[in-house]
Amino acid sequence: DGGITQSPKYLFRKEGQNVTLSCEQNLNHDAMYWYRQDPGQGLRLIYYSQIVNDFQKGDIAEGYSVSREKKESFPLTVTSAQKNPTAFYLCASSTIAGGTEAFFGQGTRLTVV
Amino acid sequence: RKEVEQDPGPFNVPEGATVAFNCTYSNSASQSFFWYRQDCRKEPKLLMSVYSSGNEDGRFTAQLNRASQYISLLIRDSKLSDSATYLCVVTRFGGSQGNLIFGKGTKLSVKP
Repeated sequence: DGGITQSPKYLFRKEGQNVTLSCEQNLNHDAMYWYRQDPGQGLRLIYYSQIVNDFQKGDIAEGYSVSREKKESFPLTVTSAQKNPTAFYLCASSTIAGGTEAFFGQGTRLTVV
Repeated sequence: RKEVEQDPGPFNVPEGATVAFNCTYSNSASQSFFWYRQDCRKEPKLLMSVYSSGNEDGRFTAQLNRASQYISLLIRDSKLSDSATYLCVVTRFGGSQGNLIFGKGTKLSVKP
């Protein structure tokens, strides 16, 4: 079955630690996105990529980094520079040309302990 | 001004009520339009695509007015299970948000 998979579902991070969230899709989508969602709030764009080896900052990129070495994969690293990383992180993918819907992974819930 | 704006909500309605959500978009180059549903602590899932001719799926009707840059979602005979947040999504090639622009969402609570 085609889809988009995020892992892990739950992640705990110690203060000062970097953690990497995985996002893989087998939909042959060119565009991939990372969003952050805080309780009761809307989605905020962290980074997006429309082609391998290229990515663009979204509204809240500070303290995060990404890579896009393969079309299928778009991992997100939450660095120690992100002071308030506790949130729900969602990965999505879509075609570039538009006209079709985006698909989301199940999300990763990150908590700082 | 946000590129996609939705009713702020929340909407609290009794079972069986008809409820309408509205969404406006500011860029006339917008290409495609969707309504997503997001349950608490879950990922958004596609509810309906929205076409100029209007489209209906059971109790749900979506409408697009390109001239007014306005999208609507109507839910008839609302059920307790309709309680969720409804997101308006617009796609636009070459936008600063990639191709996806999300509204902030409108929360719906259906009460017995």
